[in-house]
Amino acid sequence: EPEVTQTPSHQVTQMGQEVILRCVPISNHLYFYWYRQILGQKVEFLVSFYNNEISEKSEIFDDQFSVERPDGSNFTLKIRSTKLEDSAMYFCASSERRLQETQYFGPGTRLLVL
Amino acid sequence: GENVEQHPSTLSVQEGDSAVIKCTYSDSASNYFPWYKQELGKGPQLIIDIRSNVGEKKDQRIAVTLNKTAKHFSLHITETQPEDSAVYFCAASPYGGSQGNLIFGKGTKLSVKP
Repeated sequence: EPEVTQTPSHQVTQMGQEVILRCVPISNHLYFYWYRQILGQKVEFLVSFYNNEISEKSEIFDDQFSVERPDGSNFTLKIRSTKLEDSAMYFCASSERRLQETQYFGPGTRLLVL
Repeated sequence: GENVEQHPSTLSVQEGDSAVIKCTYSDSASNYFPWYKQELGKGPQLIIDIRSNVGEKKDQRIAVTLNKTAKHFSLHITETQPEDSAVYFCAASPYGGSQGNLIFGKGTKLSVKP
């Protein structure tokens, strides 16, 4: 069964450093999403992406965040200058269509900012 | 914007009993409501979803009901098994599905005791 994959599974970085989280969505899916989950809290929407541009972003997704689809398979989330409060689990998701469509989540990348 | 409330935060049942988790949402335009199961260290996995043109949906031991008037929806698990132990999240898709992002509840930690 096709699945969303994410790398790395864990990332430890120093405050102020840049990190890139990588995702490979399901191959025939057209819509891509990033969510984050701070330990013990709810999953929060960050950004959605379609046709090589951002469709929607939340208040969390400020100027330090960016997304990119550098090739036909990868979807990345970059955090330019990490802060302590960026420590969280980051999930990538993809869906075949946007409207009322099932989103399939990857296993997540646990980011720890020291 | 959309807000999703989920109750209870923890639920403990004996194996074989039923479990019910309830969610309410605020945006009457939301029309897609998935339920995700998250096991420790893994990403959310869709277990069932319902769209606003349907009042109830069932898949083996799992069922979801939707009351659009009251803006609440519920997950019902019958004949619970130890492997049902996990955190369950409800979600809603706001703006009547014109946007793809999901707004999640805070989660319910279900423990099924053998």
